[in-house]
Amino acid sequence: KNQVEQSPQSLIILEGKNCTLQCNYTVSPFSNLRWYKQDTGRGPVSLTIMTFSENTKSNGRYTATLDADTKQSSLHITASQLSDSASYICVVSATSGTYKYIFGTGTRLKVLA
Amino acid sequence: EPEVTQTPSHQVTQMGQEVILRCVPISNHLYFYWYRQILGQKVEFLVSFYNNEISEKSEIFDDQFSVERPDGSNFTLKIRSTKLEDSAMYFCASSGGLAGDRYFGPGTRLTVT
Repeated sequence: KNQVEQSPQSLIILEGKNCTLQCNYTVSPFSNLRWYKQDTGRGPVSLTIMTFSENTKSNGRYTATLDADTKQSSLHITASQLSDSASYICVVSATSGTYKYIFGTGTRLKVLA
Repeated sequence: EPEVTQTPSHQVTQMGQEVILRCVPISNHLYFYWYRQILGQKVEFLVSFYNNEISEKSEIFDDQFSVERPDGSNFTLKIRSTKLEDSAMYFCASSGGLAGDRYFGPGTRLTVT
């Protein structure tokens, strides 16, 4: 069964600190992996997308990594800001006849001043 | 930057009533989607729509649900006889291609009382 698991469920950090969010997946056949940021009460917004051959992708203070062998990804946030408070969702795409987005449960990040 | 818009932002309805949620996808996109997110849970796929017909639907998308593209810009989700468990955020998304990035709207919060 295609699944995407994320950890931790929630995280509280102080402004300026770094943090790393984890994503483990069992999705086949794998197409790509995206990280989305979802502000409370809003739709998800794409941060990064990585294909099988990519190990790392950056978008400003966000850096995503992908290990296709272990089926793990991480999202590292550098020098966190209050505006980083949101849910971060790992989405893995599978191509098996159709093109599916498989959503993780998300990590809820709160950045405190 | 073009974006997906949704109306209304919040809809309150009584159990058994019909509701129509509206979306305006990005203008040159060809693939349209509805997702829902029950409070505190992960985003769930409902249906995808291409070339004026449903291309895929999930188990959630039963006979009480229908979608329509009544004109060249709007994409609607109708829930015929709402139930308490239909209370959720409903997100519309669109993409330019089957494997293209899906852009999500801000969502409609549906509350069924």
